[in-house]
Amino acid sequence: QVQLVESGGGVVQPGRSLRLSCAASGFTFSAYGMHWVRQAPGKGLEWVAVIWYDGSNEYYTDSVKGRFTISRDNSKNTLYLQMNSLRVEDTAVYYCARDLRWKVDSWGQGTLVAVSS
Amino acid sequence: QSALTQPASVSGSPGQSITISCTGTSSDAGGYDYVSWYQQHPGKAPKLLIYNVSDRPSGVSNRFSGSKSGNTASLTISGLQAEDEADYYCGSYTTFSTYVFGSGTKVTVL
Repeated sequence: QVQLVESGGGVVQPGRSLRLSCAASGFTFSAYGMHWVRQAPGKGLEWVAVIWYDGSNEYYTDSVKGRFTISRDNSKNTLYLQMNSLRVEDTAVYYCARDLRWKVDSWGQGTLVAVSS
Repeated sequence: QSALTQPASVSGSPGQSITISCTGTSSDAGGYDYVSWYQQHPGKAPKLLIYNVSDRPSGVSNRFSGSKSGNTASLTISGLQAEDEADYYCGSYTTFSTYVFGSGTKVTVL
């Protein structure tokens, strides 16, 4: 069955960096686009970034452009989110999710990123 | 990239039907049929309920249905049950090749 497992979250100071990973299994990873979606404590879902199935295109929400980079390694069935210059407002649970023609049909359980001094 | 607009809360009694609206623009929900709905229980990951405006993934109850008119998509839950109490989000592809979620609706079963 489809499984997405995020890792790499933790507590980090403002201005520092963190890299999240999402290990995929149970499906042909290289055939699907992938998203990162976050949810601040007590708040709604916020879309963060998407990467095409082959890594050829990536798009970001405005608030993370220039700071976050989404990437993937199809040989390792793994999705990444490199987060630089972290801000307090980046504090959230980060989910990776699978996409096929904008049908976001499978989600991981999330990893918590807390940005605090 | 403003969030799609949803009512903050909707409530209904068991067995009733409720409808949640999701209003966007011609650059997102109104311009494309890539509108989805997600259910999220507290502390859990979101679950896809509806995609492409009105399609249901296998395993999702047919009590959930979706539709769209103009810039507004809607999710209807019929035969409301206690386990339907959750947060519901719409989501849509946008003209910028990005994605946007709705503001979220808390459904309460009275």
